[in-house]
Parts: sequence; structure tokens; C-alpha cells
Amino acid sequence: QQQVKQSPQSLIVQKGGISIINCAYENTAFDYFPWYQQFPGKGPALLIAIRPDVSEKKEGRFTISFNKSAKQFSLHIMDSQPGDSATYFCAASNPNNDMRFGAGTRLTVKP
Amino acid sequence: DAGVTQSPTHLIKTRGQQVTLRCSPKSGHDTVSWYQQALGQGPQFIFQYYEEEERQRGNFPDRFSGHQFPNYSSELNVNALLLGDSALYLCASSPLRGAQETQYFGPGTRLLVL
Repeated sequence: QQQVKQSPQSLIVQKGGISIINCAYENTAFDYFPWYQQFPGKGPALLIAIRPDVSEKKEGRFTISFNKSAKQFSLHIMDSQPGDSATYFCAASNPNNDMRFGAGTRLTVKP
Repeated sequence: DAGVTQSPTHLIKTRGQQVTLRCSPKSGHDTVSWYQQALGQGPQFIFQYYEEEERQRGNFPDRFSGHQFPNYSSELNVNALLLGDSALYLCASSPLRGAQETQYFGPGTRLLVL
């Protein structure tokens, strides 16, 4: 039941670079698209989220770009830092809060 | 203000046994969702509880059942454990059904089935 497809599986960027993670969804009933950050041994923590009525949302160094017609959305991390090294999950949720996650992207930011 | 808490943190069981995992939602939250996260995978939605009833269910067999108590805490029960049930089990709470913006996750219970 892979309703949300995420790529790449892993990503290595240099400190100060831009990290880009992409996701695609299938179910048009999804109306809420969050990104979660997970460190080893911890539960996922909400990073940033978007609804389909906007095409972009920015919070600090994190930006979500959303393409409703293509059913795709992406996370951009500007000025990536070693502390950003974690696993990132995109997700999509319907109005009843039934949330489906992507498989995750392991980001490594090299100093 | 305590966030979402889960117990136990780790658990080892053998095939065929039964297990109960517990979750206390964040203060002010009344909706609890359970997820299974296999190693290297994203969380998979098991079910959601609201007003002490199962409201939604993902693609999991009936061996997975749950309960929500009047204080909004919740239990996940898994019967007839299989090796493939080994995973991190995550609980998430939100302030009210449909409040997608504020789903908080607990640290999880890591279950190993031998």
C-alpha cells in the first residue's frame, strides 16, 4: 500500500549545500502534507507541513514546494548543517488524519 | 508538559506470544494513532482511536487490536506474534479528530520477536 513514494533513499550533501527530497502521492483525498524528521532512537518530529491550496511554504531554512497537478511535493533544506543529519519522512493525510508515510530519506551532511 | 509517552521502551517476545503496548497522549489530546515502523522503513498506519472507539484502520490483520481508555490513554495488543512483527511501534496523539496539524509522536516501543 505504497501511497506515498519518496526519493532518494539516501542523500549526502556538504555543509552549506542544499538538500532536496522528493515525494509523490496517489490519493487525491490527501489534503495535508507534512515532513517529519527522525533521529535514531526517537519518534518522528514534525518539521514543516503544507496544504494543497498553496504552492510553497517556507520556515527558516526549510521550504516545501507543492505541485497539486503533478501530485508531487518536495522538501528543500537550505544551508544544510551537520545537525540536520537525520532521516526525513514525507507524509500525506486525509481529513480523518489517516496518515501515510514515505519510506524515508537518510540525509548525511558532511562538515 | 509531558509529551506523548510510551511503555515499555523495549520488549522481547517469542513467536506465538501476545504483547500489550501502552501510550499516554500529550496533555489536551484525545485522539491516538498507532503506527508500525520496520527497520529502515516509514511508519505504517495501524489504527486510530477517538472517543474510546477504533475510527480508522490500516491494512493490518485482526491480530492487531487496541483500546482507548476514558483518560484517552491507549493500548495496542498483538496476538500470535510473528517474526515479522518485530518493529518500532509508535503512538501519535492529536488534540481532536481531524486536527492534522498537531500530530505528536512518542519515542516508540521497540519489539523484538524471536
